[in-house]
Amino acid sequence: NAGVMQNPRHLVRRRGQEARLRCSPMKGHSHVYWYRQLPEEGLKFMVYLQKENIIDESGMPKERFSAEFPKEGPSILRIQQVVRGDSAAYFCASSQRTTNTGELFFGEGSRLTVL
Amino acid sequence: AQTVTQSQPEMSVQEAETVTLSCTYDTSESDYYLFWYKQPPSRQMILVIRQEAYKQQNATENRFSVNFQKAAKSFSLKISDSQLGDAAMYFCASNRDDKIIFGKGTRLHILP
Repeated sequence: NAGVMQNPRHLVRRRGQEARLRCSPMKGHSHVYWYRQLPEEGLKFMVYLQKENIIDESGMPKERFSAEFPKEGPSILRIQQVVRGDSAAYFCASSQRTTNTGELFFGEGSRLTVL
Repeated sequence: AQTVTQSQPEMSVQEAETVTLSCTYDTSESDYYLFWYKQPPSRQMILVIRQEAYKQQNATENRFSVNFQKAAKSFSLKISDSQLGDAAMYFCASNRDDKIIFGKGTRLHILP
């Protein structure tokens, strides 16, 4: 039973390029969460999605960032025109239901480095 | 806004000894959950222990236990018989609406 799979594990982009981070939730999980972690910081909530729906994007920057979770395939976090401040580890987590009672299962993260 | 505060950026404990990590939180919810997550150097977050706020009994998972003081909004993690594998970042967290909010973490060092 595979866990949450994220790829790529490491991504290097130059300023102005686009970064796409993918997340396949655990089998049977229909809730996906994206978090960003800066060095020596906690995880900052970005967005919560269910299949084909964005439920809560209150932590997502208004510009350049978008997320989707299509009916088929992984969830995608897309960052357009990356800047150095986007360098961070991006974690995806999934659950069977909302987090009010359930735990989150995390992937190993994708580390984005912007040169 | 709901917040989770961990006031100890780093802690060290001798192997086999007991250590307590502190956490305070602020919420307007009447019913909520609290969590401790562990992030080892491999970086994958793992749930260590979970506490339901309406339960008075402190949660326990093997060597890990919590001291939940609801009135004081305090939720500390006690690790007994510390092992080298316990070395990691520990994050206190609470749920808010449909998401989990994390503190900034405490880095725990285990001294052999």
